[in-house]
Amino acid sequence: GAGVSQSPSNKVTEKGKDVELRCDPISGHTALYWYRQSLGQGLEFLIYFQGNSAPDKSGLPSDRFSAERTGGSVSTLTIQRTQQEDSAVYLCASSSGSGSEVDTQYFGPGTRLTVL
Amino acid sequence: GQQVMQIPQYQHVQEGEDFTTYCNSSTTLSNIQWYKQRPGGHPVFLIQLVKSGEVKKQKRLTFQFGEAKKNSSLHITATQTTDVGTYFCAGGHINTDKLIFGTGTRLQVFP
Repeated sequence: GAGVSQSPSNKVTEKGKDVELRCDPISGHTALYWYRQSLGQGLEFLIYFQGNSAPDKSGLPSDRFSAERTGGSVSTLTIQRTQQEDSAVYLCASSSGSGSEVDTQYFGPGTRLTVL
Repeated sequence: GQQVMQIPQYQHVQEGEDFTTYCNSSTTLSNIQWYKQRPGGHPVFLIQLVKSGEVKKQKRLTFQFGEAKKNSSLHITATQTTDVGTYFCAGGHINTDKLIFGTGTRLQVFP
């Protein structure tokens, strides 16, 4: 596709419910990243995929958070038993993943999650 | 662990004034990238610096990478209201594919 897309753009859920956020990276990009951004705050790294594997899950806040990527393309971030502190914008980014240098990340528009 | 700090956290300037944000890493970086996030938007890539002491310019924006590759700066000359947003630096580390994003500097420009 032309850019990184994310769905839904907005999600309002009740505390305790599970949510699934989806990311479609730029076609051909092998690296995919999930970040979380609370209002007015910086980017909090969650997880990184290279292909279908996740060599770095160090940013996942708790075991309620999980992510997977299938076919080296689409990724889903799942939050189980949501809490109010999970409310934030969840951003996905992709990069070509080629070479040894860290390359440019292209961000999606984000999913704004509100937990009531 | 690896950390990237930015100062100031927030700055407001009068239109036409200059603005600078500074980025400091606790470890040596392989490269530094800068992103801009407009209010309500998502981060958008601006530029990447790779070489020690490198300086790059984009119109009114000047980016610099320190000699030791542990710090960087972004300077905007004669700010305009269109410069409003949060500027993030992001450091790439040797032997890792992960970018460490800085804490960001939020710029407000008053007309």
